[in-house]
Amino acid sequence: EAQVTQNPRYLITVTGKKLTVTCSQNMNHEYMSWYRQDPGLGLRQIYYSMNVEVTDKGDVPEGYKVSRKEKRNFPLILESPSPNQTSLYFCASSLRGLAGNTIYFGEGSWLTVV
Amino acid sequence: TQLLEQSPQFLSIQEGENLTVYCNSSSVFSSLQWYRQEPGEGPVLLVTVVTGGEVKKLKRLTFQFGDARKDSSLHITAAQTGDTGLYLCAGASNYGGSQGNLIFGKGTKLSVKP
Repeated sequence: EAQVTQNPRYLITVTGKKLTVTCSQNMNHEYMSWYRQDPGLGLRQIYYSMNVEVTDKGDVPEGYKVSRKEKRNFPLILESPSPNQTSLYFCASSLRGLAGNTIYFGEGSWLTVV
Repeated sequence: TQLLEQSPQFLSIQEGENLTVYCNSSSVFSSLQWYRQEPGEGPVLLVTVVTGGEVKKLKRLTFQFGDARKDSSLHITAAQTGDTGLYLCAGASNYGGSQGNLIFGKGTKLSVKP
């Protein structure tokens, strides 16, 4: 079954404790991306990757890092989480970029930073 | 920064009524997508429009991309309770250096009452 898998789905952590949210897709997609969704602000793109070893900032990259060492994985790293990073995070992938390609979203990761 | 203004933010109608959701921007997009999101789940792609003036139909849903590729609309005919959900528009950047950048509107929360 084609899917985008995120882990963990739910996490409560403390300010400053480094954490990684993993994202994996089994569709051999080139494009992967991370978003955060907040009430009143909607979905905002954090980082995206057009292919292995190619990453670019989205609209809200501050406080986040990503890496794309292999095609199937695109982890989101919070080096020193702060309470304003409490949010619902989504990973997404598509075959090749955005133009005309279906984008598949993961089920989301609820992150609370206290 | 490219922005997508989506309206209305909330819509509550009776079953059988028609409705239109709008997505507007001052920026040109290479393509525009419409998603539907259920609580606790990731967005699911409904349609992608690419050509200015393009109209696509998905059963009772009609999607239109503006001639100038700056705006789009979603029209639902004879709404059903199963149409209830959050509808999101998203525009793919037209700039060569950020073709992986996806901008979302803030969403329209639709409630269809029996």
